[in-house]
Amino acid sequence: NAGVTQTPKFQVLKTGQSMTLQCAQDMNHEYMSWYRQDPGMGLRLIHYSVGAGITDQGEVPNGYNVSRSTTEDFPLRLLSAAPSQTSVYFCASRFPAGGGYEQYFGPGTRLTVT
Amino acid sequence: TQLLEQSPQFLSIQEGENLTVYCNSSSVFSSLQWYRQEPGEGPVLLVTVVTGGEVKKLKRLTFQFGDARKDSSLHITAAQPGDTGLYLCAGETSGTYKYIFGTGTRLKVLA
Repeated sequence: NAGVTQTPKFQVLKTGQSMTLQCAQDMNHEYMSWYRQDPGMGLRLIHYSVGAGITDQGEVPNGYNVSRSTTEDFPLRLLSAAPSQTSVYFCASRFPAGGGYEQYFGPGTRLTVT
Repeated sequence: TQLLEQSPQFLSIQEGENLTVYCNSSSVFSSLQWYRQEPGEGPVLLVTVVTGGEVKKLKRLTFQFGDARKDSSLHITAAQPGDTGLYLCAGETSGTYKYIFGTGTRLKVLA
């Protein structure tokens, strides 16, 4: 199993450009999510999905779109990049275990918007 | 907005010392997790606690969930340089499908 994979690892965008961050998992997990991590702010949930065709907003959804056409893939789209979206983005997937969940994170995408 | 406050924010200790990291909230959580994150990598799950008062041990790490399920602690015995990293707690409110993360405790263990 590759676990959770993310591409690209690094990306530099100019303000106003759009792009898609890719995320894939091979563990057949129904639940997937996107977080951003900024210094001193921990991880904040952007969007999540409880299964193919079902997505919902997290804490900080503005400026981002998601779709979930398959169980494996959960891409995050930046519609018009802004400097405030400079951050490290993590994708995660999880499954129920022991009354809670086991959650696995990808290696992250470091995005800089100039 | 739910908040999870972690303390201390930074901790630098000598190898062999003990330490405790705290995670506090005014919200009740159905489950709480602890992660460790190393530079350039994603967080790695250490433990999930789901029952108020629950204590879990993972080698030299002891995790406790508060009786009211609003707080948690992570205690490390005889810290080693390999324990260095960012420790994050994350709590889920029942039925929300969302984990809220704390701001993290950055630990450095000096040899």
